[in-house]
Amino acid sequence: GAVVSQHPSRVICKSGTSVKIECRSLDFQATTMFWYRQFPKKSLMLMATSNEGSKATYEQGVEKDKFLINHASLTLSTLTVTSAHPEDSSFYICSARVGTGYNEQFFGPGTRLTVL
Amino acid sequence: AQSVTQPDIHITVSEGASLELRCNYSYGATPYLFWYVQSPGQGLQLLLKYFSGDTLVQGIKGFEAEFKRSQSSFNLRKPSVHWSDAAEYFCAVGSFSNAGKSTFGDGTTLTVKP
Repeated sequence: GAVVSQHPSRVICKSGTSVKIECRSLDFQATTMFWYRQFPKKSLMLMATSNEGSKATYEQGVEKDKFLINHASLTLSTLTVTSAHPEDSSFYICSARVGTGYNEQFFGPGTRLTVL
Repeated sequence: AQSVTQPDIHITVSEGASLELRCNYSYGATPYLFWYVQSPGQGLQLLLKYFSGDTLVQGIKGFEAEFKRSQSSFNLRKPSVHWSDAAEYFCAVGSFSNAGKSTFGDGTTLTVKP
């Protein structure tokens, strides 16, 4: 099956710094990538939909200036948490969709962000 | 709006016993339905999916699920659970008309007793 990687797998940063998380589709081209946030013992919350070459579409309540998403190529999307604070600590998961229309999503392994 | 309910937050079964995890969805059109499994600190792995056709779907690791439109359900089953099946299980619903987005249930934690 299609493989999606995320880097880094874990990151610890100080409050006020910015953190970039990469999501790559390794063996396919992903026109659409999704970014999720998962709190402990909770479901996945969709943050934004990232389409290659265009601006990301953010879900209601997600601060787009706080969570910057760039989908510069068909295999790479990045999520930058700007001026991170302890409440941004979470597990961030990306997924990538093959082709157009509705197809299944392939999930990355997730990135654990801890803000001190 | 589409939504998913997983009524059981936590289920404990003995190794070798059968398993059924419940999932109910709400969506006005034909849904696309998924079951995912997540091990601690890991991403999600697709177990099986239903798009159309046969309502009994076979997946990986011996799992199956049955789509019942009349009950708006997509329950996951396994005849004999292994200790390695202990994990978090998520049901999700998606649709073509909603830009391919998926909505996830809150998950069911499966514990397997030896």
